[in-house]
Amino acid sequence: AQSVTQLGSHVSVSEGALVLLRCNYSSSVPPYLFWYVQYPNQGLQLLLKYTSAATLVKGINGFEAEFKKSETSFHLTKPSAHMSDAAEYFCAVSDQGAGNMLTFGGGTRLMVKP
Amino acid sequence: DVKVTQSSRYLVKRTGEKVFLECVQDMDHENMFWYRQDPGLGLRLIYFSYDVKMKEKGDIPEGYSVSREKKERFSLILESASTNQTSMYLCASTGQGKGANVLTFGAGSRLTVL
Repeated sequence: AQSVTQLGSHVSVSEGALVLLRCNYSSSVPPYLFWYVQYPNQGLQLLLKYTSAATLVKGINGFEAEFKKSETSFHLTKPSAHMSDAAEYFCAVSDQGAGNMLTFGGGTRLMVKP
Repeated sequence: DVKVTQSSRYLVKRTGEKVFLECVQDMDHENMFWYRQDPGLGLRLIYFSYDVKMKEKGDIPEGYSVSREKKERFSLILESASTNQTSMYLCASTGQGKGANVLTFGAGSRLTVL
């Protein structure tokens, strides 16, 4: 069984500051890992995904995430926060096998202060 | 632009009413999903479908049923709505290929049960 833990349900940063959203997963088999973003009153959009190629994955809007197998982590970062980054972010995991059922974390709401 | 469309963005129903949530996708995707989103709990899978007339229970199917009579349409049914079903409901779809299939989400249906 898979599980995803996102540390911090709310994260607040100043505009221009580093964004770090934490995600740890558990999986008995090699995982696929995803970050999705949800802007207010919208559905989820894919930010980036890890599929066992490069461990550092670059996504849209300047975000990136690094897969660290030894730490079972897939933290999301952005060097400089923008007001438009305010949203809820979800980490998700699936097995590298048939079905690709996603298990989501509890979400982290990012607030950006001017 | 590919789309997943949820017909109702906001619904208010009374306890005991029957509720239909409709979802249509125009991407010819085989797989369709219904999730429930609650603060701090992330997304939890209610039901999914791999093909027409096929359905599988997710993690929290109790109190819900689904219908998939056509490939593009996946309906979620609450036979007798209860207050604990007040939530945001998200529909998603993805193709059948192997690999890290990315979910495309609808904008969500926010249901309030009084």
